[in-house]
Amino acid sequence: QQQVKQSPQSLIVQKGGISIINCAYENTAFDYFPWYQQFPGKGPALLIAIRPDVSEKKEGRFTISFNKSAKQFSLHIMDSQPGDSATYFCAASRKHNFNKFYFGSGTKLNVKP
Amino acid sequence: GAVVSQHPSWVICKSGTSVKIECRSLDFQATTMFWYRQFPKQSLMLMATSNEGSKATYEQGVEKDKFLINHASLTLSTLTVTSAHPEDSSFYICSARDLRDPQWTEAFFGQGTRLTVV
Repeated sequence: QQQVKQSPQSLIVQKGGISIINCAYENTAFDYFPWYQQFPGKGPALLIAIRPDVSEKKEGRFTISFNKSAKQFSLHIMDSQPGDSATYFCAASRKHNFNKFYFGSGTKLNVKP
Repeated sequence: GAVVSQHPSWVICKSGTSVKIECRSLDFQATTMFWYRQFPKQSLMLMATSNEGSKATYEQGVEKDKFLINHASLTLSTLTVTSAHPEDSSFYICSARDLRDPQWTEAFFGQGTRLTVV
């Protein structure tokens, strides 16, 4: 059973547009929700993360929106740039069980110039 | 952010041989290290979790005798793929966390190792 469901699988956005990636989870014990950016042949790099005590977190052009009651969270990339073209993974983690990360299936973002 | 270094970045080995991949936390102490496997265009699949000085915990379906994990110090974990076969070819990624940190937030990832078994 997939713990974290991510959509869409791929996304094409024009330069300057807004990229939106959505994730949903089932386990209400999750209490840490990071987003990772991965370029081909590289390991994932933390982009931004949120805890369930806030509904939104913004860092530069990247914003996480969190809806605890719906068990959903999303990543918004404002003013998308070609350099943002990468695969994005959402994840969820909780304090117990070694703090394992459960990853979404990934979204390949292509920002067209 | 903290740095996790993985070595080698890529390796080609013959079928039947063993390959060791190292994962080092360079500027923090990693109480817990995770090993993932990633197939092309797919997500990261957790293989095992290792705590310093103790045996690794393997995810269901992962052969512990084939994927040997050692976490001998707070800065080094190794994954040894024993008797490698072509189906073991994949991208292996480690990540590290310091769970003594009360914020215990980030997991830092290595750059990955591309293993090709011929």
